[in-house]
This record gives sequence, structure tokens and C-alpha cells, in this order.
Amino acid sequence: AQSVTQPDIHITVSEGASLELRCNYSYGATPYLFWYVQSPGQGLQLLLKYFSGDTLVQGIKGFEAEFKRSQSSFNLRKPSVHWSDAAEYFCAVGTHNQGGKLIFGQGTELSVKP
Amino acid sequence: EPEVTQTPSHQVTQMGQEVILRCVPISNHLYFYWYRQILGQKVEFLVSFYNNEISEKSEIFDDQFSVERPDGSNFTLKIRSTKLEDSAMYFCAGGQGETQYFGPGTRLLVL
Repeated sequence: AQSVTQPDIHITVSEGASLELRCNYSYGATPYLFWYVQSPGQGLQLLLKYFSGDTLVQGIKGFEAEFKRSQSSFNLRKPSVHWSDAAEYFCAVGTHNQGGKLIFGQGTELSVKP
Repeated sequence: EPEVTQTPSHQVTQMGQEVILRCVPISNHLYFYWYRQILGQKVEFLVSFYNNEISEKSEIFDDQFSVERPDGSNFTLKIRSTKLEDSAMYFCAGGQGETQYFGPGTRLLVL
């Protein structure tokens, strides 16, 4: 069955430090992968997505993610975290290309220390 | 930039009451979805809707739930007789293909 695992429930980093949020997926076919961010009281905002091609994808707010098929991973990175990045981050896998549901991971809550 | 909107932002209801959650998707979207997130848990898929009919539903989406898009703009989720365990944040989403764009959610509390 399809699944997404985000091993880290909560991460704290210092402002200006680099960030990596882990995501592992289980899906039989070529995955469509997404990262969403949810700020307190807000909806889910799309950060970036991977469908095919270059395995390093760039997103909004300075985020990037790398698809590694051999590791079934799609980790999210940012070289220098800002206090405004504090939020909950969700990795998701799309089950097929047109109108398919998303399967979400548990989410990782990011706190940023000044 | 157009956004998906949802009303109300919060709703409190008594167990057994009917609730209708409303969503206005982006106008050129073709696929529509409802998800829910129980506090502290994953975001879970409920139902997808395309061409005025349900295209997929989860096992959560039982006979107590229904969706419709009556006027080509609003997309609603109805829960006929709410249970305590229906308390959650409900997200509407829409898209043209692979990517889904989410609304801000409706927080439903069933007492």
C-alpha cells in the first residue's frame, strides 16, 4: 500500500542554520511527490513538486527537494532558515497524474530559535 | 492570484446535527477534493469529485457524508448526522491535473 513516512515529528533549528526534513515514501509506480507547508491557522501551501526529470527541484521561499529513487526519499532542504519558516511541513505522494488523491505523511513541526 | 476559499472557518455543532461545509474552488479547476485532519493526526483523503460525480472515496466517506457542486462554483461537503469523531479540520482542494491547491480549512467541533 502507498504510504509516506516523515520520521521527525518535531525539529528545532537556529535561525540562519541549514535545514533538512526527511520524507520516505512507498509507492509501486513512479511517484508524484509534493511538499506542503501549513502555518498556524492557515491552509496547506504548496512548496514544491516532483513529477519527472531533474531530481533536484526548486520551490518557493528558497526551499528545494531531492528525489532519490534508490532510497525512496524526497527530502526537503533550505540552506538558511528564517524565523518565518516556523510551521508544519507535510510530504505527500500523488497516486496518479490526473485527479488522484494525495497520501500525506504525519508532518514535521519546525521551530526556529533566534 | 486566485485562491480556494472555505466557509465557515470554524463551526461548532451538536452531535447528531447536520453540517454543510462550503468551498469555492479556483474557477479553472477540474478536480475537487475533501480531506480532513483530526488533531495531531495525518491529513486524510475523503473524496474526489470530477465531472459532477465522485471519482474516488475513502472508507471514511460513508453514507453520512455527501458532496455536491450544485451551481458550478460552490463545492460542498455535508455530514448528515455528526459524531464526536467527526471533529477535525476539513480541507477542500482543487486542481487541473496532478497538483492540488488547498483552502484554509474549516475547523469542525462536534460536542
